[in-house]
Amino acid sequence: ELKVEQNPLFLSMQEGKNYTIYCNYSTTSDRLYWYRQDPGKSLESLFVLLSNGAVKQEGRLMASLDTKARLSTLHITAAVHDLSATYFCAVDIGSSGDKLTFGTGTRLAVRP
Amino acid sequence: NAGVTQTPKFRVLKTGQSMTLLCAQDMNHEYMYWYRQDPGMGLRLIHYSVGEGTTAKGEVPDGYNVSRLKKQNFLLGLESAAPSQTSVYFCASSSTPPHYGYTFGSGTRLTVV
Repeated sequence: ELKVEQNPLFLSMQEGKNYTIYCNYSTTSDRLYWYRQDPGKSLESLFVLLSNGAVKQEGRLMASLDTKARLSTLHITAAVHDLSATYFCAVDIGSSGDKLTFGTGTRLAVRP
Repeated sequence: NAGVTQTPKFRVLKTGQSMTLLCAQDMNHEYMYWYRQDPGMGLRLIHYSVGEGTTAKGEVPDGYNVSRLKKQNFLLGLESAAPSQTSVYFCASSSTPPHYGYTFGSGTRLTVV
C-alpha cells in the first residue's frame, strides 16, 4: 500500500524567510504533483514532476523530485503572506486509472 | 470555460437520508474521481472511473455508490447517510496519459446530523 507522508504538518514562518516542505512516499514512482488549497477552496495545481531530477519553479516556490530517494521537496524562498495556504503532494504509481494518493498536507502560515 | 462543476455546494442531511452529488466536466476527460477530505487526513479516494460506463472502488468506498452513464458526468450517491460521512467531497477529472494531474471541482460540504 502506497503511503505518502509530508512534514512538517504545520509551518509558521516569518515573511522573508526560506523553508522547505518534504514529501516522502513508500513505493517507486516518477510522477509527483503539488497542489495548493486556500481555506474553504478547491485544490489548485502547482507543479507536475514526471521524472527523476525534475525541478520546476514558479515565483517563490520551487519543487524537485528524487525518485531514488522517493522524496520531493517544495522550497519556499523569501516567504510572503500570500503564500499562506495548505500544500499537498500527491503520488501516482501508474496503477489503473492513474489514481493519486495524497499526503496529509502542510498548513503554511506566513506572518509579518 | 467551466472545467469541473459540482452540485450542490452545501447540504445538510439527516441520518438515514439519501442524496446524489453531481459532477460535470466539459474538458472531454476520460478519467473522473471522487475524493473526500477530512481534517488531518488529506484526500482519500472513494470511487473512480476510467471511461463512460465504468466505475471502480477506491480506498474508502463503503457507503457510497457511483455511476458514469455519460462521459461528462460522474454521480456519487449516499443511500443511507451516516454522521461518519460528514466531509467535504471533491470531484476531479484528468485526461488519459500523458498525465498532467487533476482538475478539481469546487467541492461539496456535506453535514450529516
